[in-house]
Amino acid sequence: SQTIHQWPATLVQPVGSPLSLECTVEGTSNPNLYWYRQAAGRGLQLLFYSVGIGQISSEVPQNLSASRPQDRQFILSSKKLLLSDSGFYLCASRDSSDSPLHFGNGTRLTVT
Amino acid sequence: QQPVQSPQAVILREGEDAVINCSSSKALYSVHWYRQKHGEAPVFLMILLKGGEQKGHDKISASFNEKKQQSSLYLTASQLSYSGTYFCGTEYAKGTYKYIFGTGTRLKVLA
Repeated sequence: SQTIHQWPATLVQPVGSPLSLECTVEGTSNPNLYWYRQAAGRGLQLLFYSVGIGQISSEVPQNLSASRPQDRQFILSSKKLLLSDSGFYLCASRDSSDSPLHFGNGTRLTVT
Repeated sequence: QQPVQSPQAVILREGEDAVINCSSSKALYSVHWYRQKHGEAPVFLMILLKGGEQKGHDKISASFNEKKQQSSLYLTASQLSYSGTYFCGTEYAKGTYKYIFGTGTRLKVLA
């Protein structure tokens, strides 16, 4: 089965600072990869998804970007964080359209 | 647009039953149900692929209506461990890869 590694677990960053969150997947090849954000007490907002190396689909136009430099590596970045970027960031992976998502443990980001 | 879940929140006593609905204005390719404990990632519960499908294990079961626009999750004889937020997850067509979640239902089971 898949294992999704996501780090760090918690992060406190000042407004205007850069961000890089990394996610790596074990136990599968050519997975569909996803980044979600969850504001406190809210639902799961799809940010980006990728079906292959270098292929990124963006769902929310904002100051975040994503990249997939390797088959099982997915990176979420920002050049300048905003207060509204605070939240719980989750990386997820799945094998195919009939498969459920497997999640990493998440990163709790607080922008101050 | 995301599927709408109802109710938004529910409080139960141990042993009581609950039904959580996930509704869409257009047909869904499939439905997955997840439970998320506070501060943790969602955990997969079950998948429904076919219209009219019903499945379950232990005291948790789910259904998918014939038109594939509504799914329901049934929790019977609830336990304290059932507390959390429940999400339905879906994509509208096979191969679109865009996977979205419903609005969520917060469930709390009291002793």
